[in-house]
Amino acid sequence: EDKVVQSPLSLVVHEGDTVTLNCSYEVTNFRSLLWYKQEKKAPTFLFMLTSSGIEKKSGRLSSILDKKELFSILNITATQTGDSAVYLCAVVEETSGSRLTFGEGTQLTVNP
Amino acid sequence: DGGITQSPKYLFRKEGQNVTLSCEQNLNHDAMYWYRQDPGQGLRLIYYSQIVNDFQKGDIAEGYSVSREKKESFPLTVTSAQKNPTAFYLCASRDYNEQFFGPGTRLTVL
Repeated sequence: EDKVVQSPLSLVVHEGDTVTLNCSYEVTNFRSLLWYKQEKKAPTFLFMLTSSGIEKKSGRLSSILDKKELFSILNITATQTGDSAVYLCAVVEETSGSRLTFGEGTQLTVNP
Repeated sequence: DGGITQSPKYLFRKEGQNVTLSCEQNLNHDAMYWYRQDPGQGLRLIYYSQIVNDFQKGDIAEGYSVSREKKESFPLTVTSAQKNPTAFYLCASRDYNEQFFGPGTRLTVL
């Protein structure tokens, strides 16, 4: 059975801190890994990762995939209160109708 | 504007009643999905459809039914057989690179 595990489940930091969110997975036929941000509504897409070692970057957010060790990290530098959200990791399988398997999410709270 | 719409945003129903949640997309995507999200949890797949007139059960299909008569539409019916239907329901559609989510329907069964 496919499995996606995120850690930590919750994290409280102060503005300006740097955070690292983790996502490990066990999937039979890996195609890609997606990161989403969810703020009390529908998730919004952040990154899609398919290749190991290539960092994706968008402003203060960055992410990288390690297909050998089966994990990904999402980094947020100089955090702001607007970064407070649930961050979801999902893995896409090659042979299952492109279905996504989601982790439980990491609840990030950034205090002023 | 291209996107996914879900209606209604909030829905209240009495226990024992069937209810249908609407999902429409104009992105011309073949694949569509229904997820359920409970407080403090990630998304769990209910049903998905890769093409018109075809759909597959996800991880928690019991008590739900779907149809896919048109490419644009993938309605979800929550039946009285679903033991704990109160949740946030998200519809999504997908192209190769990304899955797009609708705004969600929050269903409360009284």
